[in-house]
This record gives sequence, structure tokens and C-alpha cells, in this order.
Amino acid sequence: NAGVMQNPRHLVRRRGQEARLRCSPMKGHSHVYWYRQLPEEGLKFMVYLQKENIIDESGMPKERFSAEFPKEGPSILRIQQVVRGDSAAYFCASSLNPGQSNQPQHFGDGTRLSIL
Amino acid sequence: DQQVKQNSPSLSVQEGRISILNCDYTNSMFDYFLWYKKYPAEGPTFLISISSIKDKNEDGRFTVFLNKSAKHLSLHIVPSQPGDSAVYFCAARSNTPLVFGKGTRLSVIA
Repeated sequence: NAGVMQNPRHLVRRRGQEARLRCSPMKGHSHVYWYRQLPEEGLKFMVYLQKENIIDESGMPKERFSAEFPKEGPSILRIQQVVRGDSAAYFCASSLNPGQSNQPQHFGDGTRLSIL
Repeated sequence: DQQVKQNSPSLSVQEGRISILNCDYTNSMFDYFLWYKKYPAEGPTFLISISSIKDKNEDGRFTVFLNKSAKHLSLHIVPSQPGDSAVYFCAARSNTPLVFGKGTRLSVIA
């Protein structure tokens, strides 16, 4: 399967714990995006990364949330000290060169985070 | 402030007929528009896109129309099939992040 791979598919955490969501982009893609979807809502942009660089984090809360895309390995979205409001589906997408308008973002199947 | 709006939360269409899903936007800087289809418990799947310099793009049963003056785009599916039943998201881009609408749930009735 050469698509965007996210794991885990489901993650349950208690309030105050840390959540780590992983994303491996499509083969050959070096641009990764994280989105969050609340129930009955559209996807909301969080952060855009290239290898070892955060390009745009304008949609990510300033506290408790961080993201990385190391030279080797998957992209990680980390949420520290989780609260009930963090419960959502988190989707990762990847693309080739986003400067070319005909390069759509391709999505993984998401991680459903539930906070007890 | 919702920059991309899908005003119909749901739509039901008979199998074989045309499905028309609508999307309005407010940001005139958007230069690229996309439609995604989403099944439950799966990620959005890219369907079709259109650049702001065009007014129509067709791919098989799917056609997207763009009316820049009205800041409106629509997705036409013809003929509709039961397998098309899903949530359809309109998305737009001015820089890199996509801005999504809230989606329209399409039900194609056999």
C-alpha cells in the first residue's frame, strides 16, 4: 500500500496524558500536513511540514501541541497533557511539490483520539 | 469566519440521476479548488480539482464548474450510483493549507 499511513487508527488517553500520532507520507512525497476534524465539521488545518522544517503552524494551538517531520521516519503530532476537547479525528496528508497547482494532497485514514 | 461554505448538509438523489453539490467561498485569493469524498472511518479521497483560470473540468462521471464572479463552484455526478453515497467536501487553497467546507452527505437511492 503506497498511500499515506497513519497509526494508531484509534487512541484512547486519560486527561493529562500525552498522545503521539504518527504519519508516513506517500512514497516520494516530502510535504506533510496535519488536519483536525471535530464531529459534523470540516477538516481544519493545523500544521505543514517539510523534512526537518515546520513551514506553517498557523493552525496549531500554541500550547501543548507540537509537530515534527524528521529526516528519517514518520511525521509525529504530539499533544501533551490532553484534555477532553482534544477528542477528534486527526488526519495527515502528503503531497508532491505544493507550488504546482495540480498536486492535490492525499490523505491517510486518520487517528481517532478519545480522551477519557 | 467560514471561507468555504457548503450550505446543504445533505442531499438525496435517485440512482441514475444527476447529483449536484454546491460550494461557495469568500476569499478571492483562492486559486485552486478541490472536491474530496469521504466514507465513514476513512480519510478523504481526492476526486477532482479545478484551477481558478478554468471554468470547467471533467473526469468521467464527475464535472466541476467554477463561477469566479459568483465565488461559487459545483460538483456534478452523472449518472449517480449507490457507491457514490458519502460525504463530499469542497476545499480551496490560496497558499498551501487547504480550507475545507463542512461537507454535504450524499445519499444515492437505488
